Amino acid sequence: QSALTQPASVSGSPGQSITISCTGTSSDVGSYNLVSWYQHHPGKAPKLMIFEVNKRPSGVSNRFSGSKSGNTASLTISGLQSEDEADYYCCSYAGSSTWVFGGGTKLTVL
Amino acid sequence: QVQLVESGGGVVQPGRSLRLSCAASGFSFSSYGMHWVRQAPGKGLEWVAVIWYDGSNKYYVDSVKGRFTISRDNSKNTLYLQMNSLRAEDTAVYYCAGRQSGHFDPWGQGTLVTVSP
Repeated sequence: QSALTQPASVSGSPGQSITISCTGTSSDVGSYNLVSWYQHHPGKAPKLMIFEVNKRPSGVSNRFSGSKSGNTASLTISGLQSEDEADYYCCSYAGSSTWVFGGGTKLTVL
Repeated sequence: QVQLVESGGGVVQPGRSLRLSCAASGFSFSSYGMHWVRQAPGKGLEWVAVIWYDGSNKYYVDSVKGRFTISRDNSKNTLYLQMNSLRAEDTAVYYCAGRQSGHFDPWGQGTLVTVSP
């Protein structure tokens, strides 16, 4: 049950695109298409942004997209906006009814 | 609207117990599995426990097995986390979240638990 690996921070200017990686193992990310991404503004409830690798919940902007290759999943945010500045967490099902999160990535919009 | 509201957090001494509650409204609580997730100060999110919609199955992260118990009362639309033998490393904001297949939605705003002498 080791945490998934995410970069501690990423940054981009308004209008640009950024990608956040999430590296796991063949026991979690690599084995299941059950990777999800969450946006978290401190002090608020985390918000689901992507589920099942690349699906967007209703109401989430299509500027957010997800993908997976092998043991690594990615979240891409295009057309960066100031309100996108937040912490982002990936999560994967890890088998045996357990889940594992990434360490989180702080996104700064310059 | 869909809402999860946690309560029961506070300051507790090491070795003592605390029970968290999560009140659900705006959705069919009894049809959903539920999770507890925590975030220690300055750290990332950590999955803690899950319970099936009917309470029939419960699973935990290794670090809390034998100390924490997840439960629910569907007649009260409420989820619980009984935390015993608390340690300093259990200090965190605890969130409840709905189980939707492999992901978590909705989420509450969390309740802070501080384990300190």
